[in-house]
Amino acid sequence: NAGVTQTPKFQVLKTGQSMTLQCAQDMNHNSMYWYRQDPGMGLRLIYYSASEGTTDKGEVPNGYNVSRLNKREFSLRLESAAPSQTSVYFCASTEQGSGTIYFGEGSWLTVV
Amino acid sequence: AQKITQTQPGMFVQEKEAVTLDCTYDTSDPSYGLFWYKQPSSGEMIFLIYQGSYDQQNATEGRYSLNFQKARKSANLVISASQLGDSAMYFCAPGTNFGNEKLTFGTGTRLTIIP
Repeated sequence: NAGVTQTPKFQVLKTGQSMTLQCAQDMNHNSMYWYRQDPGMGLRLIYYSASEGTTDKGEVPNGYNVSRLNKREFSLRLESAAPSQTSVYFCASTEQGSGTIYFGEGSWLTVV
Repeated sequence: AQKITQTQPGMFVQEKEAVTLDCTYDTSDPSYGLFWYKQPSSGEMIFLIYQGSYDQQNATEGRYSLNFQKARKSANLVISASQLGDSAMYFCAPGTNFGNEKLTFGTGTRLTIIP
C-alpha cells in the first residue's frame, strides 16, 4: 500500500523558475494538504483541499498555487521560485472519522 | 487563527525514564481534539496518537498516552519507558477526525534520549 506519494523528492531551482510538486494518495481520502517545513521549524499549512474540486488557503499561500486534479491527486505549483521558498514540502491526506493524518515522505526544494 | 504552544523546544531524558511533552492550543471549537506526530531525523511524519474532544478516557497507544485536560485546552503526550529510538521532533496539532478543516501544527519539541 503506497499511501501518500510525493514527487520529486529533491529539486534545485534557479530563482524565477517554475515547478510543480506532485502528490497522490491511494486511500480514497477526501482531504489533502500541502505544508512547508523550514529548518528547525514546525509545519506551516500552505493550501488544503477538503474535497475534490475545492481548495482553500492556509497560513502561507503567497507564491503558490494548487490544483486538486481528482480525488487522488493534489499538486502544488511555484510559478516563480524565490530563495525564501527553499524548504521541505509535505503532502498529507486524511479521511473523516479516521483520526489519522497520513504524510508523504517530503520533497526537499532548494532555490538558488 | 489557532495558536498552538509547545513550550519545550528541547528535552534530554535518560533512557527508560518516562517523559511528558506539553501542548496547549487555543481554539473556539469545542469539537477539537489533538493529534501528536513524531518526526525522526529521516524527516517523515509518523502519526502517534489522537485524543477526541468527546472521548471519555485519555487515549493510549502502546507506550504513548495523553493527559487530556479539555477545559485547559491541553493534551500532554506521555512516553513511558523511553527508548533511544524515541529521539525525534514531536509535533501536536489540534483538530477533529472529520478530516475537513485546516490542520496547523505547533513548533515542536526536540526530544533526545540519553543512553
